Amino acid sequence: DTEVTQTPKHLVMGMTNKKSLKCEQHMGHRAMYWYKQKAKKPPELMFVYSYEKLSINESVPSRFSPECPNSSLLNLHLHALQPEDSALYLCASSQGGTAGYTFGSGTRLTVV
Amino acid sequence: GQQLNQSPQSMFIQEGEDVSMNCTSSSIFNTWLWYKQEPGEGPVLLIALYKAGELTSNGRLTAQFGITRKDSFLNISASIPSDVGIYFCAGHYGGATNKLIFGTGTLLAVQP
Repeated sequence: DTEVTQTPKHLVMGMTNKKSLKCEQHMGHRAMYWYKQKAKKPPELMFVYSYEKLSINESVPSRFSPECPNSSLLNLHLHALQPEDSALYLCASSQGGTAGYTFGSGTRLTVV
Repeated sequence: GQQLNQSPQSMFIQEGEDVSMNCTSSSIFNTWLWYKQEPGEGPVLLIALYKAGELTSNGRLTAQFGITRKDSFLNISASIPSDVGIYFCAGHYGGATNKLIFGTGTLLAVQP
């Protein structure tokens, strides 16, 4: 299995809702990542997990809460989002070091 | 956040033409990666470069890691319609600073 699987593919949520994005990989990768991508812009790093521990938080607002329950799963919990948080949220994994990242297809999030 | 400068911003070419794009940074990277992203999908890794001066090919694609470690280029020869997409360079610091930073992207359109 050489894929990163993200669910759901699309999500519409209100500003008072709580929702979660899920990411799964079975490549044995020890590092997992969340990126945010606005239309026609490059992906921007949000969080890095290494060996299931949060190692980098790129000053992301607390309404985004990451969680790594085990080495194969990565969640992003969403609460009280704003319309400007609407974007494509990408999950990626890697072996660590300088290895290339494998990306999922993303979750298209719309906040209304 | 930090971004790499990628040029050109967009290219509109005829099928069969060769394409060249490049990426520059003020920072030194340990690894340069080139990704392609199609609408509604995550970035897909095309080529990874690990040593300064390295020249690597993947089919019709050729990429080089600049000697200064602050730049890279990607060439596509004999373009075809399925080459359409956004091409991103990405620089990786490696080691304890496990961060992959993306370039601003080059939109490629190929006319049959």
